[in-house]
Amino acid sequence: EIVLTQSPGTLSLSPGERATLPCRASQSLTSSSLAWYQQKPGQAPRLLIYGASSRATGIPDRFSGSGSGTDFTLTISRLEPEDFAVYYCQQYGTSPGTFGQGTKLEIK
Amino acid sequence: EVQLVQSGGDLVKPGGSLRLSCAASGIAFTNAWMGWVRQAPGKGPEWVGRIKSKTDGGAIDYAAPVKGRFTISRDDSKNTLSLQMNSLRVEDTAIYYCTAVGYADYVSSSWGQGTLVTVSS
Repeated sequence: EIVLTQSPGTLSLSPGERATLPCRASQSLTSSSLAWYQQKPGQAPRLLIYGASSRATGIPDRFSGSGSGTDFTLTISRLEPEDFAVYYCQQYGTSPGTFGQGTKLEIK
Repeated sequence: EVQLVQSGGDLVKPGGSLRLSCAASGIAFTNAWMGWVRQAPGKGPEWVGRIKSKTDGGAIDYAAPVKGRFTISRDDSKNTLSLQMNSLRVEDTAIYYCTAVGYADYVSSSWGQGTLVTVSS
């Protein structure tokens, strides 16, 4: 099973700052098969990015994804108040797909 | 807009059974691949299983922890997805989400509101 590591567990930043969230896979992912989700308290996760760098429908362009192989990054160019949430990466190249443990983005 | 409305969560004893349902709208359900994802308290999400559309063969795949105990089914005439859970264990306690697969297999592009399943004596 492919294990995804998201570190740090918590990231403290201020609105307007740039956020960089890493995700490392225990083995190389096929075809950049990595997705990112955002989850706010009491809500279901929301898909942000698939294919490592493609934005899902309706996702603002301040969200971007990059990386390949085992190292991936979600970048939020300029934090808005509504961006403070938990972010999960997911690999889906190897069935059934596994999620990381998440990075909580909190207001500094 | 895709809407997935779930029902059926409850408190059950270990060894018990429960059935979850998910009513879909705003989606061509007959052609949709659907799945269930769960999330234990304070943990990341975890895939439970996925069912392909009948036109794509209808294959069902389950995660190892639930294989042989859980059954996913679909009723295309009612736009409904179901999850039958048997031999429930304490470690099955989680919020269960119905999802629509989009962009790629096992990528959840739409999510239901979630329903809590608690397994406890």
